[in-house]
Amino acid sequence: QQQVKQSPQSLIVQKGGISIINCAYENTAFDYFPWYQQFPGKGPALLIAIRPDVSEKKEGRFTISFNKSAKQFSLHIMDSQPGDSATYFCAASRVFNAGNMLTFGGGTRLMVKP
Amino acid sequence: DTGVSQDPRHKITKRGQNVTFRCDPISEHNRLYWYRQTLGQGPEFLTYFQNEAQLEKSRLLSDRFSAERPKGSFSTLEIQRTEQGDSAMYLCASSLVQGLLNAYEQYFGPGTRLTVT
Repeated sequence: QQQVKQSPQSLIVQKGGISIINCAYENTAFDYFPWYQQFPGKGPALLIAIRPDVSEKKEGRFTISFNKSAKQFSLHIMDSQPGDSATYFCAASRVFNAGNMLTFGGGTRLMVKP
Repeated sequence: DTGVSQDPRHKITKRGQNVTFRCDPISEHNRLYWYRQTLGQGPEFLTYFQNEAQLEKSRLLSDRFSAERPKGSFSTLEIQRTEQGDSAMYLCASSLVQGLLNAYEQYFGPGTRLTVT
């Protein structure tokens, strides 16, 4: 059962543009929503994360928007750069009184064209 | 290097052989996770430890899979009688739980890529 659905599967953006990746989840018990960036041959690297008590979190060029009622969250990459070209995964987990086992989306392969 | 390390980085084995992977978490991290990632997919949770206790193992893919963390530091993941379908990247992650504070951030290692021929 896929509890976290991610779209699009692939995305091409021009340098300087905005990259937007969306995720939807089913389990209302989830209380932690991280985004990971993965380069080929490497492990996922934690990029930014949000908890459901806030609707937006910004760190540098990366912003998470969170809509609890719609059970959706998204990653916005502002001023996208060729170095941002990677695969991005959203994830969700239950942390409170649970093991924080991450459930990942299927990934989005981002290509930023110079 | 203070990150999560995994060994080996690559393993090629023949069907039916046993393999063992090692994970060294970030120093002082007391929680350790194992995930599997197949090509083009997101990581899939397998099991996790709090110190040396294995608190969740129902997601291990079959009884051919087992994991240990004998002294609460490094961990090993063993696959017995490997099958071609076991070919994947095996990822380890660690986090820190302090008292009543929940452990949110998980930091991943580079993974071990297993190829079963």
